[in-house]
Amino acid sequence: DVKVTQSSRYLVKRTGEKVFLECVQDMDHENMFWYRQDPGLGLRLIYFSYDVKMKEKGDIPEGYSVSREKKERFSLILESASTNQTSMYLCASSFIRYSGANVLTFGAGSRLTVL
Amino acid sequence: KQEVTQIPAALSVPEGENLVLNCSFTDSAIYNLQWFRQDPGKGLTSLLLIQSSQREQTSGRLNASLDKSSGRSTLYIAASQPGDSATYLCAANQAGTALIFGKGTTLSVSS
Repeated sequence: DVKVTQSSRYLVKRTGEKVFLECVQDMDHENMFWYRQDPGLGLRLIYFSYDVKMKEKGDIPEGYSVSREKKERFSLILESASTNQTSMYLCASSFIRYSGANVLTFGAGSRLTVL
Repeated sequence: KQEVTQIPAALSVPEGENLVLNCSFTDSAIYNLQWFRQDPGKGLTSLLLIQSSQREQTSGRLNASLDKSSGRSTLYIAASQPGDSATYLCAANQAGTALIFGKGTTLSVSS
């Protein structure tokens, strides 16, 4: 089975701190994604990557950056954490079938609290 | 821009009932539609994926259908059990984009 591993399940940070959320997948998937999930707002795409060193902005990239130096690892960076970034962060990886179907597998999530 | 809507937002049923969860999308040019389950505080688990050329997919007591022309998908759960209690999300995939998710339906099955 594909495994998508998020390094931290729970984090508590202070306003202004730099925060790294790490995600690693073990199935050689080309695509990786970062979403955040908030009550009443659902899942919203922050950034995604189709290849090493490639990145694309999603719907809500402000306040975030990403890094993909190796195919298996996709990192989400909060340069200066703010309280409105308190959320559940979900990483996913995927492959594209010949048909064009994009098959996603998610990690367990990282719940970040910014005080 | 693609929008995905799920109705109802919450649903409570007694154990044993058959039920249908609804998902609608505004742009019918999709490659596939995927249904996920999410338990409280956890990540998403993929349940079923329907490719654009398919009408339905089945896995155990779950059956998902897709009608691209009307922009609708349904997830049918037969003989519901308390262990089915979770939030169910659908997501639409279009070419060159990441999946667009609905906000989910939270299901509660009482024993």
